[in-house]
Parts: sequence; structure tokens; C-alpha cells
Amino acid sequence: DQQVKQNSPSLSVQEGRISILNCDYTNSMFDYFLWYKKYPAEGPTFLISISSIKDKNEDGRFTVFLNKSAKHLSLHIVPSQPGDSAVYFCAASEENSGGYQKVTFGTGTKLQVIP
Amino acid sequence: DAMVIQNPRYQVTQFGKPVTLSCSQTLNHNVMYWYQQKSSQAPKLLFHYYDKDFNNEADTPDNFQSRRPNTSFCFLDIRSPGLGDAAMYLCATRSSLTGNQPQHFGDGTRLSIL
Repeated sequence: DQQVKQNSPSLSVQEGRISILNCDYTNSMFDYFLWYKKYPAEGPTFLISISSIKDKNEDGRFTVFLNKSAKHLSLHIVPSQPGDSAVYFCAASEENSGGYQKVTFGTGTKLQVIP
Repeated sequence: DAMVIQNPRYQVTQFGKPVTLSCSQTLNHNVMYWYQQKSSQAPKLLFHYYDKDFNNEADTPDNFQSRRPNTSFCFLDIRSPGLGDAAMYLCATRSSLTGNQPQHFGDGTRLSIL
């Protein structure tokens, strides 16, 4: 039962163009969504997040969009740079009143930005 | 820089020989997590500590244990590693004191079983 799905294992984009990474989820109790970036031989690095009360969050070249009715979120990278080449993990969490946050990860999308 | 440090980065052990992986943090976060990640798969939560309270995921094998002697350190003990336990093990930390916050990960320990 995969609650967070990234259906595209890989994506190639030309430098300077937009990269769009997609993620779908099934659990309506998720209230916080995150994107992590992972280079080879390193741990995941937090990139950007969005609360379920918003539909967009922007940080520089990175924008995350959330469509709750469709249970879909996406990460837009504009413009894409070769250094953005990495595996991107979508993650979703639900938190109880005690502060316990359980995060469920997708399987990742490998982005290659071609110079 | 405040960070999450995992040692060793690479660990080789023999089938059935106990192994311990360590994680330390300078972030002073009250929550620490251990994940297992196999190739092309999502990180899978094994257990986490909320302060001193240990929380085991229902499907984490009994072979996996954890210790958290203080806020800064957390250990993953695999009592009798099998070939299926070869994976990347990721430690993460988080503060639960200020609402929704991301987890911060170490660089992982890649475990190989001979």
C-alpha cells in the first residue's frame, strides 16, 4: 500500500527550461508535504515544504504546488541548472496532537539537467 | 555547522554477526528516526525516539533494536544480520517543539552483508 507515489522514475530536462516533478498521495490525513533532494552518497536534503492550508509555496527557483482535491503535488524548478541533477523525493506527513510526525516517502524521481 | 553525523559511512559485516550503526546530532532535536532504504525504494521508517520514548513500527523485524543514551546520540543494533538487511540506513532528526518542521538527515551508512 504505497500512500505516496512518484510515477516517473526519471526525467531529463534541458538547462534553462522548467523541470516539473509530480507526486500523488492517497491518505487524506496528510497535512504537511515536503520535497527532498538527494545526491549520490549523501543523505536527503530538505528542499521545500507546504502545509495543507496552502496551495503554493515558493523559494527562489523552486515552487511547490498542492492540489488537495486531486491529492497531487508538484515541484517546479525554473530555470533548471545542471547542479539540480539529483534524485527528488516527495514526502507527506501527518502529525498528531503529541507532535509525532510520521513521514511517508515516495520512491523518488531522478532528474537529469542536460547542459 | 549543526548537523547529523552517521558513522561509519560504510560497514561490512558477516551473515549473523551483530553490528551497530551510530548517529549523532548537534541540532539538539528531540526526535530521532532510523530509516532503511534499499535501491530504488522509498526510505522505510524502522523506529523513532520522541525524547526518550521509543516507538517501533509494526513491521520492523525483531532483529532490529535501538538505543538512545542521550539527546545527541542514537544507535541502531542489528542482532543477527541477514542478506536481506543489506541496505542504506539513514538517521534523521527533527524538533517537534515548533509545529511542522522538516526532518534533517545524515549521509547514511551503507551496510553490506557477506
